[in-house]
Amino acid sequence: SAVISQKPSRDICQRGTSLTIQCQVDSQVTMMFWYRQQPGQSLTLIATANQGSEATYESGFVIDKFPISRPNLTFSTLTVSNMSPEDSSIYLCSVDITHTGELFFGEGSRLTVL
Amino acid sequence: AQTVTQSQPEMSVQEAETVTLSCTYDTSESDYYLFWYKQPPSRQMILVIRQEAYKQQNATENRFSVNFQKAAKSFSLKISDSQLGDAAMYFCAYRSARVNYKLTFGKGTLLTVNP
Repeated sequence: SAVISQKPSRDICQRGTSLTIQCQVDSQVTMMFWYRQQPGQSLTLIATANQGSEATYESGFVIDKFPISRPNLTFSTLTVSNMSPEDSSIYLCSVDITHTGELFFGEGSRLTVL
Repeated sequence: AQTVTQSQPEMSVQEAETVTLSCTYDTSESDYYLFWYKQPPSRQMILVIRQEAYKQQNATENRFSVNFQKAAKSFSLKISDSQLGDAAMYFCAYRSARVNYKLTFGKGTLLTVNP
């Protein structure tokens, strides 16, 4: 298993500002995944972050809006830039350490944009 | 593209009873994985059970079992002897067996357990 810590756990932000979410894993992992869960909705993959390379973004998500860093095998950040109320969501970091699709998730970061 | 459908937005069950959550999926692939994840009110998602498509035997984990019907592309979750702690949002998810392929989640079923 894996222990994943996310910071902040929740935040309230003003429109037009940016927020960086941190994800720390207690073991080295090749790939980290960032998901968005909008209110009452399912999880949507934003991007896959590999250490040492550019993140791979899913359709509908762009690097300018959601820049991701992956400086080492245990840490990643997701920035939500120029926020609007539509960005109000839970953002979840996850890892696949078994390479069978079983994901371990952080507790998520609940973002409210006013 | 793969899709996962959970047709029951909400379900309720009496404590100690059995409940079945439905999930169907669409794929053209033959080798894949299916999952049920649980998201309690505290928000952290945890894996409940996993099924490999090449296995005919249905997966079981204690009180949790699945009914995997590959031809029908159906993957239901049965919770036996329901407990109050089972109350959560349950997500069905699909993953291709291709390396590093992403998970596709259904919209979830909110399970309420009544004492």
